[in-house]
This record gives sequence, C-alpha cells and structure tokens, in this order.
Amino acid sequence: EAGVTQFPSHSVIEKGQTVTLRCDPISGHDNLYWYRRVMGKEIKFLLHFVKESKQDESGMPNNRFLAERTGGTYSTLKVQPAELEDSGVYFCASSRWTGGQETQYFGPGTRLLVL
Amino acid sequence: AQTVTQSQPEMSVQEAETVTLSCTYDTSESDYYLFWYKQPPSRQMILVIRQEAYKQQNATENRFSVNFQKAAKSFSLKISDSQLGDAAMYFCAYSWVGRDDKIIFGKGTRLHILP
Repeated sequence: EAGVTQFPSHSVIEKGQTVTLRCDPISGHDNLYWYRRVMGKEIKFLLHFVKESKQDESGMPNNRFLAERTGGTYSTLKVQPAELEDSGVYFCASSRWTGGQETQYFGPGTRLLVL
Repeated sequence: AQTVTQSQPEMSVQEAETVTLSCTYDTSESDYYLFWYKQPPSRQMILVIRQEAYKQQNATENRFSVNFQKAAKSFSLKISDSQLGDAAMYFCAYSWVGRDDKIIFGKGTRLHILP
C-alpha cells in the first residue's frame, strides 16, 4: 500500500510568487489534514478535509492560503502571494473516517523557502 | 487552549542504553489521546505509540513505553536498548476525543544515538 505522497519535496520561490503544494493521501482515506512547521516552532494544524468538504480550517493563517480537495482524492494548498514568513515544512496526513480517532499517516513534507 | 511542551530540544544516548524523553501538556478535558511520533532524518513521520487518557495502563510497543501521569499532565517516552535507527526527531502530541481530531504537537526533541 502506497503511503501519503507530497509534491514537490522542495520549493524555493521569491516573495510575491505563487506556489502550489500537492498531497496524495492513502487510497480510501477520507480524512486529509494539512500541517505546517515553521523553523524552530511546533508543527501546527492548518486544516482538515473529510472527503471534499472542509471540516475545520481554523488553522489557516490568512486568506493567502487556499486549500482544495476536488473529488475527495488529492489535495492542493496554494500560497498566493507568498511571504517570507510562509517558509517552513508543510505536512499532509490522511486517515480513515470512522467517527473516532484514527491514526494519521504523514507524508514526507514539502520544504518551502520564500526568499 | 491545549498546549504540549517538550523541554529537551536535543538528547544523546549511548547505543544499547535507555533514554527517556519528557513531555508535559495542558488541557481541561478529561478524555483525550496522547501520541509520540518519530521523524527520522529526511523521512516520513510515523506514529510510535498512542495512549488513551481514560486508560490507566501505560502503553508499550516493543522497546518503546510511556509513563503517563494524568494528574501531573506528564507523558514521557522511554526507549530501551537504543539502536542507531532510533535517531530521529521525536514529537509529543495531543488530540481530542469525539470532536475534530486535529493533532497538537510539541516542538520536538532531537535524539542522537552514540555508537
């Protein structure tokens, strides 16, 4: 069984540019989460999809961040325009939907550097 | 708000020895989940061990065990017979029961294994 995959693994962009991160969850996992770790700080929750619906987007920092999960499969996280403070590692995780706490399986992360 | 604190940014242990990683948390909930996640260098984060707060018995997984002190809000991880493959960043984490299952992470402890 393939794990959670994320693309790209690294991205270096200039301030003001746009970047789109992609996450492919484990097949059959309805839950999909985005997290972010800024250098030296905690991994912070961004948002949670159940299938194609946003269950919780309370962690999204501002309206420069847009997450989508069309068709309930893969998800994209777009940052437009990127700012210096957006640099960090963006993790995606997925889990089955059972109504309870299921193990979240994490992807390897996308390392974003905004110059 | 729920918080997770890991006071040891880095630790080292001799191969085959035992090491304990500390974690404290703050919550007003009576039931919740606690986790230890491991992220080896350049690899995906994986779940090491999980504890449900209503269970008094400490969780164990092979060489990994926890010391869960609910009244003290403490959740330490003990690694016995440390191996080179245990070298990683370890994250202590918290999640709610019965509501949204986003995870709250600590800042992490980087564990070095000395041969």
